Amino acid sequence: EVQLVESGGGLVQPGGSLRLSCAASGFTFSSYWMSWVRQAPGKGLEWVANIKQDGSEKNYVDSVKGRFTISRDNAKNSLYLQMNSLRAEDTAVYYCARDGRVVVVPAQWGKGTTVTVSS
Amino acid sequence: DIQMTQSPSSLSASVGGRITITCRASQGIRNSLAWFQQKPGKAPKSLIYAASTLQSGVPSKFSGSGSGTDFTLTISSLQPEDFATYYCQQYNSYPITFGPGTKVDIK
Repeated sequence: EVQLVESGGGLVQPGGSLRLSCAASGFTFSSYWMSWVRQAPGKGLEWVANIKQDGSEKNYVDSVKGRFTISRDNAKNSLYLQMNSLRAEDTAVYYCARDGRVVVVPAQWGKGTTVTVSS
Repeated sequence: DIQMTQSPSSLSASVGGRITITCRASQGIRNSLAWFQQKPGKAPKSLIYAASTLQSGVPSKFSGSGSGTDFTLTISSLQPEDFATYYCQQYNSYPITFGPGTKVDIK
């Protein structure tokens, strides 16, 4: 069974940093693209970033470029999102998702971790 | 960026009924279109990719069609568990973008 478990969310002040983690199990992690998708309170889904199987390609939504970094450790079956210079508008539930081997569409989702940016 | 729109934004339907949701892209995206279902307080569930290919385990009551800029999601024989919000997503080009969602509730 595919499992994706996010952690690392919490309350942080504007300008602060957080590192989200996603522990993956039940599939060959190194064979799949992985993504982060977020959802602000009461709002729709927003794609944040994705990363290729070997980490050689990373893509970001413009609003987080230069502030967020997606990474992965295939030996640890883990996905990460380093978030710096956080803003109030980054407040959201952050979902880790397993995409396809080729198609960069989430097929499996974690339950999410909540990030709140507030003073 | 490619803008995605959905219509209607909400709809009411009866158990046993059939509904169709439309998704439109601001420019052609070939068939690079996915659909997701989300229930309140839950993570999204993936339904369809490549406009019409069902994700593993998704029942055939869900079907998708379209290419280019116009797409549809049809759900037949609505059951209580199908009442949710549905999102389309284009992955033809970065940044990947979602539609605003269509909320389906019980009439």
